[in-house]
Amino acid sequence: GAVVSQHPSWVICKSGTSVKIECRSLDFQATTMFWYRQFPKQSLMLMATSNEGSKATYEQGVEKDKFLINHASLTLSTLTVTSAHPEDSSFYICSASFQDNQPQHFGDGTRLSIL
Amino acid sequence: QKEVEQNSGPLSVPEGAIASLNCTYSDRGSQSFFWYRQYSGKSPELIMFIYSNGDKEDGRFTAQLNKASQYVSLLIRDSQPSDSATYLCAVNGAGSYQLTFGKGTKLSVIP
Repeated sequence: GAVVSQHPSWVICKSGTSVKIECRSLDFQATTMFWYRQFPKQSLMLMATSNEGSKATYEQGVEKDKFLINHASLTLSTLTVTSAHPEDSSFYICSASFQDNQPQHFGDGTRLSIL
Repeated sequence: QKEVEQNSGPLSVPEGAIASLNCTYSDRGSQSFFWYRQYSGKSPELIMFIYSNGDKEDGRFTAQLNKASQYVSLLIRDSQPSDSATYLCAVNGAGSYQLTFGKGTKLSVIP
């Protein structure tokens, strides 16, 4: 079946550091990928829709200058958390679908801890 | 605004019983319906998807869709302790990649 790979799975770093998370679709081309954030015991929150070759679409309340998204190829989207602070600590998950109305397949997630 | 509603639970069922998870959605234009399972600390995993009214069965899982009532459900037969997780209902509209998720129902299967 379709597989989405996300890396790294765990990051611990100091406040002020920028962190890059990669999301790859391994066996299909994904023109659209999604980035979610999930705080403990809360539901998934869509942060942004990543579009290959164009700017990402951010959800209301998500700072686009803080969460930089690049979708330079049909198989890779990256999320960079710039100047991360402890309140950015969360579980970040990407997903991709090879076609509209088809299931989204999720990466394994990245647990980000900012000290 | 598109909404997907689920009972947050927890829903507790004994091992071997049928677990019934329910979901309602607000957008009548919704066309695709998905159930994901999420274990604590893990990312969501696709369990079932359904596009047409009626039932769709896959092993111990059955998804049921009623578009007139804007209702989708997931039945888990012969529930096992390993089924204990949060189940997320997700919906998308025609020509859309974006999913609207419910907040999830936490299921606990008691041995």
